[in-house]
Amino acid sequence: GAGVSQSPSNKVTEKGKDVELRCDPISGHTALYWYRQSLGQGLEFLIYFQGNSAPDKSGLPSDRFSAERTGGSVSTLTIQRTQQEDSAVYLCASSPAPRGSPLHFGNGTRLTVT
Amino acid sequence: EDQVTQSPEALRLQEGESSSLNCSYTVSGLRGLFWYRQDPGKGPEFLFTLYSAGEEKEKERLKATLTKKESFLHITAPKPEDSATYLCAVCTGTASKLTFGTGTRLQVTL
Repeated sequence: GAGVSQSPSNKVTEKGKDVELRCDPISGHTALYWYRQSLGQGLEFLIYFQGNSAPDKSGLPSDRFSAERTGGSVSTLTIQRTQQEDSAVYLCASSPAPRGSPLHFGNGTRLTVT
Repeated sequence: EDQVTQSPEALRLQEGESSSLNCSYTVSGLRGLFWYRQDPGKGPEFLFTLYSAGEEKEKERLKATLTKKESFLHITAPKPEDSATYLCAVCTGTASKLTFGTGTRLQVTL
């Protein structure tokens, strides 16, 4: 079956511009996660959705970052007024149930802020 | 705060040369320990979940084991196609997220 799909696969933007990253999870997966992976760094948790609500937003690095999920499916991560330190690969993952279930990852969006 | 440390950072093996990767963790209330494989330009690919000390899982040339403080990923007679970064992650009692280590970059040469 189809896996987690992310778009775009690559995004180059100028400092100060806003960007939107999209994630289509595996059908039927209720839990959705956003992570960030910088060069040489581990995966950094950003936000977790259960259905359309986000009970854990603790990893969002600043108020320039926001995310939403609609219809219990597609999610969008928005970064406003991008900075060079936002350059990273943004990974989305989904899971059929929260807590203790393996996450299934997409191939990420590589964001480069110039 | 949950901590996951992986070693070594990088490992170079010759084809057929078995070895082990280590993942040590400091957490409160482990609900599961996960191993993933990540190829360049791709997202992490799930390999194993281990839930309790003493548990072992195997898949082809890979075997994962778990103790109360660490997990090992044993690679037996590796092939060049096993070259990848191997990531370890933990899920703990009150968290819904996984906390990842920084990975071991494995290169297997002919």
